[in-house]
Amino acid sequence: AQSVAQPEDQVNVAEGNPLTVKCTYSVSGNPYLFWYVQYPNRGLQFLLKYITGDNLVKGSYGFEAEFNKSQTSFHLKKPSALVSDSALYFCAVRDRNSGYSTLTFGKGTMLLVSP
Amino acid sequence: NAGVTQTPKFQVLKTGQSMTLQCAQDMNHEYMSWYRQDPGMGLRLIHYSVGAGITDQGEVPNGYNVSRSTTEDFPLRLLSAAPSQTSVYFCASSYSELGGTDTQYFGPGTRLTVL
Repeated sequence: AQSVAQPEDQVNVAEGNPLTVKCTYSVSGNPYLFWYVQYPNRGLQFLLKYITGDNLVKGSYGFEAEFNKSQTSFHLKKPSALVSDSALYFCAVRDRNSGYSTLTFGKGTMLLVSP
Repeated sequence: NAGVTQTPKFQVLKTGQSMTLQCAQDMNHEYMSWYRQDPGMGLRLIHYSVGAGITDQGEVPNGYNVSRSTTEDFPLRLLSAAPSQTSVYFCASSYSELGGTDTQYFGPGTRLTVL
């Protein structure tokens, strides 16, 4: 079975400071990893994904994430946070060896960026 | 492209009533899915479809039915609504699930309350 853990329900950061939103995963094989963002009263929007290759993945809105196989982590980062980054962030995983396997989401982390 | 559309945006039902949540996409995506989002639970997969005429169960399928008669449409039916089905429902689609690398595109959601 595959699973995702987002250990923080909420992350608070001041505007201009770097931010990190944590994600760890568990799959039986090798993972495909995704980050999505949800703004209030909206659907989820894709941010970035790790499929293969370079462990550092760059995505939309200046976000990036680093795949660490030994620590089974895929933390989301941004060098300088904006107030407009305040939203709910979801990490998701799929086992690449499972054919039509489904995507498993974490519970989400609320990011609050203060002015 | 309109992307993924969902109707209605809001719905209130009484226990025992039935209804259909509509989902349509105009991107010619093979894969479509339904999730429910509950506080502190993340997104949980209800049903999914890998193409017209093919559907399968996700993590929480009980109380829901789906069918996929066309590539564009993937309605979700609540057979006999229960208060436990109070949730926000999201439809998503992607080009193909073969290999599992494709990004999912989400609709804006339907907020359902069952009294």
